[in-house]
Amino acid sequence: KAGVTQTPRYLIKTRGQQVTLSCSPISGHRSVSWYQQTPGQGLQFLFEYFSETQRNKGNFPGRFSGRQFSNSRSEMNVSTLELGDSALYLCASSLADDYEQYFGPGTRLTVT
Amino acid sequence: KNEVEQSPQNLTAQEGEFITINCSYSVGISALHWLQQHPGGGIVSLFMLSSGKKKHGRLIATINIQEKHSSLHITASHPRDSAVYICAVFFTPDTGNQFYFGTGTSLTVIP
Repeated sequence: KAGVTQTPRYLIKTRGQQVTLSCSPISGHRSVSWYQQTPGQGLQFLFEYFSETQRNKGNFPGRFSGRQFSNSRSEMNVSTLELGDSALYLCASSLADDYEQYFGPGTRLTVT
Repeated sequence: KNEVEQSPQNLTAQEGEFITINCSYSVGISALHWLQQHPGGGIVSLFMLSSGKKKHGRLIATINIQEKHSSLHITASHPRDSAVYICAVFFTPDTGNQFYFGTGTSLTVIP
């Protein structure tokens, strides 16, 4: 089975721009979660989608949003980028809540 | 306020040593995960625990729900075990499922 894939792997954007990141889960997995990792804050939970519905959301501003498609692929969008949004964005998929999470390789976003 | 505390933050060991990493949490949880992150960013889920003990090869994870504490043990450590180990708890407050992460333990195993 193919693992979780994320595109793009690296991205450089300018302050004020917006960005869309993509995550394709493992086939059959219906839950996709997104995380932000920075040197200062570590790993933080952004949100989780299950069957096209956002089930849970972490403590991030409304500039961070996401969606999930019927094939379970998910996208996250960050609008009006700030320098502090520079981070590694990871997605993880699982069969359901109480199942193991499988992480993608991440997208490294740099905001200049 | 940090819901998840890990110790130690950094750990250097000689190859072959027995290693223990600790995780304490302050909330009632549904499950606890131990994650491994190698340089370059890739994260692998090592264990998911809700009670008791799990073993996979040289890795052992235990959890004490009453004491809100978990440990990750590595027996006969090897340089390839060098990585950051992260404890994460999954719980369901009124606001819906949440994941909280420890700050990680950076392990270096010297040959």
